[in-house]
Amino acid sequence: DAMVIQNPRYQVTQFGKPVTLSCSQTLNHNVMYWYQQKSSQAPKLLFHYYDKDFNNEADTPDNFQSRRPNTSFCFLDIRSPGLGDAAMYLCATSRDTGITEAFFGQGTRLTVV
Amino acid sequence: QKEVEQNSGPLSVPEGAIASLNCTYSDRGSQSFFWYRQYSGKSPELIMFIYSNGDKEDGRFTAQLNKASQYVSLLIRDSQPSDSATYLCAVRSSGGYQKVTFGIGTKLQVIP
Repeated sequence: DAMVIQNPRYQVTQFGKPVTLSCSQTLNHNVMYWYQQKSSQAPKLLFHYYDKDFNNEADTPDNFQSRRPNTSFCFLDIRSPGLGDAAMYLCATSRDTGITEAFFGQGTRLTVV
Repeated sequence: QKEVEQNSGPLSVPEGAIASLNCTYSDRGSQSFFWYRQYSGKSPELIMFIYSNGDKEDGRFTAQLNKASQYVSLLIRDSQPSDSATYLCAVRSSGGYQKVTFGIGTKLQVIP
């Protein structure tokens, strides 16, 4: 059974049109991450939540926002997508103690046209 | 200096050989180290984690950690064509907000 679920798997959006990607988890993990991965590049951390505490990476553009209304759900909002934002967006979760590996969802492939 | 460094490869090995993948990291206080495998177009999947100096074995996979040298490696014995993928090294940082940072990954090609 999928433990980290991302919707949709594929998203096509128009240049400049706001888009929201969603992530849900059944693991009850307190840490949730959003990564952006472009072709042949490392997953790049955009931001992460430690419970309700939001942690933005210094180089994450203002165009990217996130919401975590509860433990289970986290959203990535791209306010005005540009062609350079086309990528795979990966959601991951982890515990903060014990075995702390990140569990990934299947990703959302975003295309900007 | 990048936080997590890997050679992007590709690393080509013949079927049945040992593949050796290497990773260095910059945060000396890091405590947790992970190896993920990523097939093209798929999300990363965890194959090994290691916390303590030394070796950790799981089937055909062995992770090695040397904190003094800030070095992590992954050995794959009896390499199979199905092992062909990109292997991502990931490090969990020290400090209050413990984020997981990835290297660029090493592309492994196992030649039948």
